[in-house]
Amino acid sequence: DAGVIQSPRHEVTEMGQEVTLRCKPISGHDYLFWYRQTMMRGLELLIYFNNNVPIDDSGMPEDRFSAKMPNASFSTLKIQPSEPRDSAVYFCASRYEAGQPTRSSGNTIYFGEGSWLTVV
Amino acid sequence: QQQVKQSPQSLIVQKGGISIINCAYENTAFDYFPWYQQFPGKGPALLIAIRPDVSEKKEGRFTISFNKSAKQFSLHIMDSQPGDSATYFCAALDRGSTLGRLYFGRGTQLTVWP
Repeated sequence: DAGVIQSPRHEVTEMGQEVTLRCKPISGHDYLFWYRQTMMRGLELLIYFNNNVPIDDSGMPEDRFSAKMPNASFSTLKIQPSEPRDSAVYFCASRYEAGQPTRSSGNTIYFGEGSWLTVV
Repeated sequence: QQQVKQSPQSLIVQKGGISIINCAYENTAFDYFPWYQQFPGKGPALLIAIRPDVSEKKEGRFTISFNKSAKQFSLHIMDSQPGDSATYFCAALDRGSTLGRLYFGRGTQLTVWP
């Protein structure tokens, strides 16, 4: 399995520009998470989906952030307009739980390698 | 509100020493406690995990100790090696919840000097 695939790996953009981060979860996984990591705040959960439906977006910092999951194999996180304080590493992660005979096998979250965003 | 509190924020250990990272939680519904390891430039990856029906789990040089009454758990790395230098996150999950989310600690940056 290729794992969780994120793009772009690195992005440098100017303040005010739109940024779109992309994620392909592991095939068959039914949960998808978007995290942001900074030195100051650690690993923050922004939003997550179950079966393509957003479950909790309370971690999304403000209206400039939006996320979509149009199908089971693709999700986007969009920032419009971007600001320097959005500079961070954004991780996508996925997990499989549905239909497990025991819940233990569905507890592992698999992370992508992250998208490093710098807004100047 | 931080559901899982982790300490210390950073840790420096000499090669061969023992690294200890501590975590505490409040929600008694949590029943699965994993540790994730993150190397620079990579995403976090599952290292070891424990359920509260056992007090200790060991995998090689890595051991989780769990104290249910104190609502605390810790990661011990025996014979620490420079290759263990990474950021470590503890986490907690309520497997009975339909929400399905993991709560992470803030992370501990471990540096092992040769």
